[in-house]
Amino acid sequence: QLVESGGGMVQPGGSLRLSCAGSGFTFSSHWMNWVRQAPGKGLEWVANINEDGSEKNYVDSLKGRVAISRDNAGNSLSLQMNYLGADDTAIYYCTRESSWGALDLWGRGTMVTVSS
Amino acid sequence: DIVMTQTPLSSSVTLGQPASISCRSSQSLVHSDGNTYLSWLQQRPGQPPRLLIYMVSNRFSGVPDRFSGSGAGTDFTLKISRVEAEDVGVYYCMQGTQSGSFGQGTKLEIK
Repeated sequence: QLVESGGGMVQPGGSLRLSCAGSGFTFSSHWMNWVRQAPGKGLEWVANINEDGSEKNYVDSLKGRVAISRDNAGNSLSLQMNYLGADDTAIYYCTRESSWGALDLWGRGTMVTVSS
Repeated sequence: DIVMTQTPLSSSVTLGQPASISCRSSQSLVHSDGNTYLSWLQQRPGQPPRLLIYMVSNRFSGVPDRFSGSGAGTDFTLKISRVEAEDVGVYYCMQGTQSGSFGQGTKLEIK
């Protein structure tokens, strides 16, 4: 399973670090992704990272403001987000990527609210 | 980024009747390895999404066989042969060929 943490309320311009704990599978064998969903809106792919952390990809709109990382020894995934704005208010999901390029395991998400 | 466009954005279907959702990508989803990384996900109200179909037409474990996927290149379709009450929710196509991106979602309701 995947369990996200670290969400909460943050002021505009602030920073937040989200974490995801993986269990029940070989964490180090999978690409991992972050996906977000603003209230009442659709899914937005945010970033992914390969098995050993040497390759990272980001959605163009967030490049420079977010950083994905992983700790395979601790079976954890992180997302550092900086200069947060109201548009970043969303549920952030941690997801596992299968070898078929599909997101086959999802956490329940952690809510991030950017508000003064 | 590859843009994914779904139609329709909402659909109201009678129980037992078929449903179809289309997804078009802004460029071919054929990867350099020859595979096409197009998947479909379902999100029921209040739930995280779950994988239904991967690599265009492969049903994920536990997915009923009334769900099927087809297509190639830039045009893809998800079909539900006979809609059941539990199928209510929002359906997304997603490409994993070049990083990742989702369609806008199609809301399925029962008429």
